[in-house]
Amino acid sequence: DGGITQSPKYLFRKEGQNVTLSCEQNLNHDAMYWYRQDPGQGLRLIYYSQIVNDFQKGDIAEGYSVSREKKESFPLTVTSAQKNPTAFYLCASSTRRGLNNEQFFGPGTRLTVL
Amino acid sequence: AQSVTQLGSHVSVSEGALVLLRCNYSSSVPPYLFWYVQYPNQGLQLLLKYTTGATLVKGINGFEAEFKKSETSFHLTKPSAHMSDAAEYFCAVIREPFGNEKLTFGTGTRLTIIP
Repeated sequence: DGGITQSPKYLFRKEGQNVTLSCEQNLNHDAMYWYRQDPGQGLRLIYYSQIVNDFQKGDIAEGYSVSREKKESFPLTVTSAQKNPTAFYLCASSTRRGLNNEQFFGPGTRLTVL
Repeated sequence: AQSVTQLGSHVSVSEGALVLLRCNYSSSVPPYLFWYVQYPNQGLQLLLKYTTGATLVKGINGFEAEFKKSETSFHLTKPSAHMSDAAEYFCAVIREPFGNEKLTFGTGTRLTIIP
């Protein structure tokens, strides 16, 4: 089945540690996105990539980093510079053909900083 | 810049009653609008979308939404609520329809169904 997978589902991190969240898609989509979700704030865009080896900052990129070495993969690293990293992180992808641009979402990773 | 406002962070309706979730948008270009649903601890699933053409859009699970340009609205409705509709609903707008696929999401509306 085609889709987006995120791992792990739950992640615990000590303060001061970097942690990497995985996102893989087999939908052959060019574009991929990372969102952060906090209660009452909806989804906020962290980073996005429209093509391999290229990515752009979203609205809240500080304290995060990404890479896009393969079309299928778009890992997100939460660095120690992110002051409040506890949140639910969602990865999404979309085709860039046409103007519909529906985004497909993974199941999410809940990160908790201890 | 495009944005969306969802009126009511929590909505409760009785099972079998009409569901109405409100979304208003602000856009300097013709908007492309979406409604997504999120069940607890899961990702988002597309309910329906409006791009061009017919202003009444039908989606999955019996939901529909009507694009009203004069009111800058895209409210989500379902004639008869079911217990399985309990979830959080997000309205979203594409920021720039041409060449940039970033979405702006509303803050969400949590729908509770009363038995």
